[in-house]
Amino acid sequence: QSALTQPASVSESPGQSITISCTGTSSDVGGYKYVSWYQQHPGKAPKLIIYEVSNRPSGVSNRFSGSKSGNTASLTISGLQAEDEADYYCSSYTTPSTLFVFGTGTKVTVL
Amino acid sequence: QITLKESGPTLVKPTQTLTLTCSFSGFSLSTRGVGVGWIRQPPGKALEWLALIYWDDDKRYSPSLKSRLTITKDTSKNQVVLTLTNLDPVDTATYFCAHITSQLGFGVDCWGQGTLVTVSS
Repeated sequence: QSALTQPASVSESPGQSITISCTGTSSDVGGYKYVSWYQQHPGKAPKLIIYEVSNRPSGVSNRFSGSKSGNTASLTISGLQAEDEADYYCSSYTTPSTLFVFGTGTKVTVL
Repeated sequence: QITLKESGPTLVKPTQTLTLTCSFSGFSLSTRGVGVGWIRQPPGKALEWLALIYWDDDKRYSPSLKSRLTITKDTSKNQVVLTLTNLDPVDTATYFCAHITSQLGFGVDCWGQGTLVTVSS
């Protein structure tokens, strides 16, 4: 199984919106609803911010939203804030291993 | 409140076997829909799923590491153990223990703090 493909970096000014893509195949992103997104600040464990493509866990800001089209999932962060500067990873259930696979990661910089 | 904590050696030699223990509280691994997994992250690199064990003892492994990995659970002790054989310096990473539940689409909703394992002679 190969890692899902994400852009290496995205930069934008505070208050703006960004979208991070996560491209896989029909054996992972395109085939299942179990796509999740994680935020990771330096030296910290990741934090779940989106599950099942577009659902937010309790306590996660509604500035984070997720979607999927075909083999590509997307994470949108609206009203960008300094605290959003972090690494972001997508993850998907995948076959034939029936485990999960992460994306390559995207570093978000708030200018 | 769910908590997980990894324990094990911080330095191991090449070709040796790594044994990591995840001790958890706040949930039972006998509850339907629950799983505990291991994820690692080499310094400066991306996350990688290693293995996952479900409440019913179903086990899943990364295809690239399957021959070297074993995951087991002790429900009575609230522990999950991961072994990785034949270590190589490329296995140097922070190893995270992770809780997943079907209620959150099998997303990792709780993580251990991580333990850095260095493979070096």
